[in-house]
Amino acid sequence: AQSVAQPEDQVNVAEGNPLTVKCTYSVSGNPYLFWYVQYPNRGLQFLLKYITGDNLVKGSYGFEAEFNKSQTSFHLKKPSALVSDSALYFCAVRDTFRNNDMRFGAGTRLTVKP
Amino acid sequence: DTEVTQTPKHLVMGMTNKKSLKCEQHMGHRAMYWYKQKAKKPPELMFVYSYEKLSINESVPSRFSPECPNSSLLNLHLHALQPEDSALYLCASSLERGPNTEAFFGQGTRLTVV
Repeated sequence: AQSVAQPEDQVNVAEGNPLTVKCTYSVSGNPYLFWYVQYPNRGLQFLLKYITGDNLVKGSYGFEAEFNKSQTSFHLKKPSALVSDSALYFCAVRDTFRNNDMRFGAGTRLTVKP
Repeated sequence: DTEVTQTPKHLVMGMTNKKSLKCEQHMGHRAMYWYKQKAKKPPELMFVYSYEKLSINESVPSRFSPECPNSSLLNLHLHALQPEDSALYLCASSLERGPNTEAFFGQGTRLTVV
């Protein structure tokens, strides 16, 4: 099965500073990668996806992600963090060997401090 | 309309009860999913319907029974659950099961089994 990994359980940044949430992937063939955000007691909200093409993908709420094939990474970034960005972030991959079902990383808790 | 609506938002049920979770989308999506999410964990896929046909069951116990009455509705029937089944149950939909399609999630049903 194809998979993604999020190496950090927790990321802390100060408001106004840039943020990065890391994701690495293990995929045979073309990767189909996604980022989602989850606020407490809520469902997951789609942020952005990488299919093919530009290595810098722009998404919702000012987020972007950088696809790096040589490092097999798809890190989520934002130039200036807001306190309201504090949430749980999931990287995900469509598993093309298993009916394209979406598989999630373990999640990273982002805390933005004022 | 980019919403997936789940009802109820909260449910408390005894181990001998029968209850149902409901999910609705009007985006014309032909793939619908049930996920189970425990606290601070990623969502785990339970069932997938594609064009109203059950196409995958991730070895879920028979006390969970999915139903797809039409292309807009998805139900999850619950019977004789165990306390360990307490979790957030998420419904999602996507245009189809293709690898480049993002899934849209509902806000979930917080289930507590007593």
